[in-house]
Amino acid sequence: NAGVTQTPKFQVLKTGQSMTLQCAQDMNHEYMSWYRQDPGMGLRLIHYSVGAGITDQGEVPNGYNVSRSTTEDFPLRLLSAAPSQTSVYFCASSSTSGGHPYNEQFFGPGTRLTVL
Amino acid sequence: SQELEQSPQSLIVQEGKNLTINCTSSKTLYGLYWYKQKYGEGLIFLMMLQKGGEEKSHEKITAKLDEKKQQSSLHITASQPSHAGIYLCGADKQNYNNAGNMLTFGGGTRLMVKP
Repeated sequence: NAGVTQTPKFQVLKTGQSMTLQCAQDMNHEYMSWYRQDPGMGLRLIHYSVGAGITDQGEVPNGYNVSRSTTEDFPLRLLSAAPSQTSVYFCASSSTSGGHPYNEQFFGPGTRLTVL
Repeated sequence: SQELEQSPQSLIVQEGKNLTINCTSSKTLYGLYWYKQKYGEGLIFLMMLQKGGEEKSHEKITAKLDEKKQQSSLHITASQPSHAGIYLCGADKQNYNNAGNMLTFGGGTRLMVKP
């Protein structure tokens, strides 16, 4: 298993540009989520999905869109990049195996985004 | 404001010394997770605590959740340079439509171990 993969690893955008951060997992996990990590802020939840076709907002959703057309993929779209979106973005997935609600979240390696 | 407070924010210890990192919440913690992040890399799962008073150990790292389930500590015994990194505590956010596994994180503790 590749686990959780993210592309690209690094990206530089100009203000106003759009782009999509890709996230994929091959563990058949129901839950997928996107976090951003900023210095001193820990990780903050952007959007999450509890299954294909279902998405919802996290703590800091403004400026980001998501979709979940398949179980495997959960792309994050920036429609009009702003310098405030400069951050490291992590995708994570987890399962509900055995009905247990508290399962390990598996994180991708992250995407470092700079918006000029 | 963050719901989880970690202390200290940063820590420099001499190799071989013991250290403790704390994670405190004003609300009851459900599914308290500890992760380690090496600089510039992703998060590595360490342990998950669920029950009040629970304690888990892996190699030289021990994590505890207090009886009230509002504070957790991570203790490293005889620290080594390989322990260096950022340690993050995360807790399950119960108010996301009962969707478990959506985590809120503390600000992290940066640990440096001097050889």
